[in-house]
Amino acid sequence: DGGITQSPKYLFRKEGQNVTLSCEQNLNHDAMYWYRQDPGQGLRLIYYSQIVNDFQKGDIAEGYSVSREKKESFPLTVTSAQKNPTAFYLCASNTGLTEAFFGQGTRLTVV
Amino acid sequence: GEDVEQSLFLSVREGDSSVINCTYTDSSSTYLYWYKQEPGAGLQLLTYIFSNMDMKQDQRLTVLLNKKDKHLSLRIADTQTGDSAIYFCAESTGANNLFFGTGTRLTVIP
Repeated sequence: DGGITQSPKYLFRKEGQNVTLSCEQNLNHDAMYWYRQDPGQGLRLIYYSQIVNDFQKGDIAEGYSVSREKKESFPLTVTSAQKNPTAFYLCASNTGLTEAFFGQGTRLTVV
Repeated sequence: GEDVEQSLFLSVREGDSSVINCTYTDSSSTYLYWYKQEPGAGLQLLTYIFSNMDMKQDQRLTVLLNKKDKHLSLRIADTQTGDSAIYFCAESTGANNLFFGTGTRLTVIP
């Protein structure tokens, strides 16, 4: 079955650590996105990538980094520079004007 | 990014109709979408409408698009407790971009 998979579902990070969230899709989609969702709030775009080896900052890119070495994969690293990383992170993918498909999300908590 | 706005909360009684509204700013929007998010989960596409349409109906869901006013609405008929969720509208203007509203939390009161 085609889909988009995020892992892990839950992630705990100590202060000052970098962590990487995985996002993999087998839908052959060109574009991939990372969103952050805080409790009771909507989605804010962190980074997006329209093609392999290229990505652009979204509205809240500070403290995050991404790579797009393969079409299927778009990992997000939450760096120690991100001061308030506790949130729900959603990855999505689409092609052209088609609907976006979402992963089930990763809940990151700083301990 | 583009501006897509929604009201944050809506409460309705079970069996009533729900209407969730969305306004957007980019007149070049091509597709407009409604997504549903259940607690702790990702977003699932409910329905979409192409910008040259005024209305789309799919079972209990009716989407209305007023392109002149840049206003999109989602009507859920005979709202059930299982419809309680956050509903996001989103617009696509092509070239692999997608902009989301803040989401409307729908609470259905039994």
